[in-house]
Amino acid sequence: QVQLVQSGAEAKKPGASVKVSCKASGYSFTNYGLTWVRQAPGQGLEWMGWINAYNDNTNYAQKFQGRVTLTTDASTSTAYMELRSLRSDDTAVYYCARGRKVLPNWFDPWGQGTLVTVSS
Amino acid sequence: EIVLTQSPATLSLSPGERATLSCRASQSVRSYLAWYQQKPGQAPRLLIYDASNRATGIPARFSGSGSGTDFTLTISSLEPEDFAVYYCQQRSNWPPWYTFGQGTKLEIK
Repeated sequence: QVQLVQSGAEAKKPGASVKVSCKASGYSFTNYGLTWVRQAPGQGLEWMGWINAYNDNTNYAQKFQGRVTLTTDASTSTAYMELRSLRSDDTAVYYCARGRKVLPNWFDPWGQGTLVTVSS
Repeated sequence: EIVLTQSPATLSLSPGERATLSCRASQSVRSYLAWYQQKPGQAPRLLIYDASNRATGIPARFSGSGSGTDFTLTISSLEPEDFAVYYCQQRSNWPPWYTFGQGTKLEIK
């Protein structure tokens, strides 16, 4: 079945960077894209960006422009989200989710989430 | 940026009752509206896409309606496993940006 498995929890200091991975299985990786969404503790969902796994075209939320980079490795069917210059308010669970590769309207399925904790 | 406003923030109902959740967009999103269910400690799960289409494996008691700016998620008869937080999500036309509503918590009365 279609599955997205994310890397484990991370603890980072302010100013550092984090790179979260999302390994896909059960479908043709380059026929879809992946989005990244985060959820701060007790809060709602916040969209961060999107990558087309076929041609690596990206689209980032304005809030994260310049601070986040989405990439893929088709040879391992893995997507990556790197967030730089971490602050305490970046503490959140980060999710990847699959969507069609061009202008997806929805996302399904989702990875299990990766907790990133930013603290000095 | 298109803002999605969900109401109510919390809905208290009993199993077997009908639940009606609302999502209003600050401008038209046509039918580019999805609904997700999230239980504590779990990732969101897609319920409805393009406003009214049930995702694979979603029970028929879940239905979505609406277009433009006003959307509704209806659960016809609540099961114990339906008590969760529900989010709506839209895609703006260009650039293709996505926003989520703030969520409606459906709790057991």
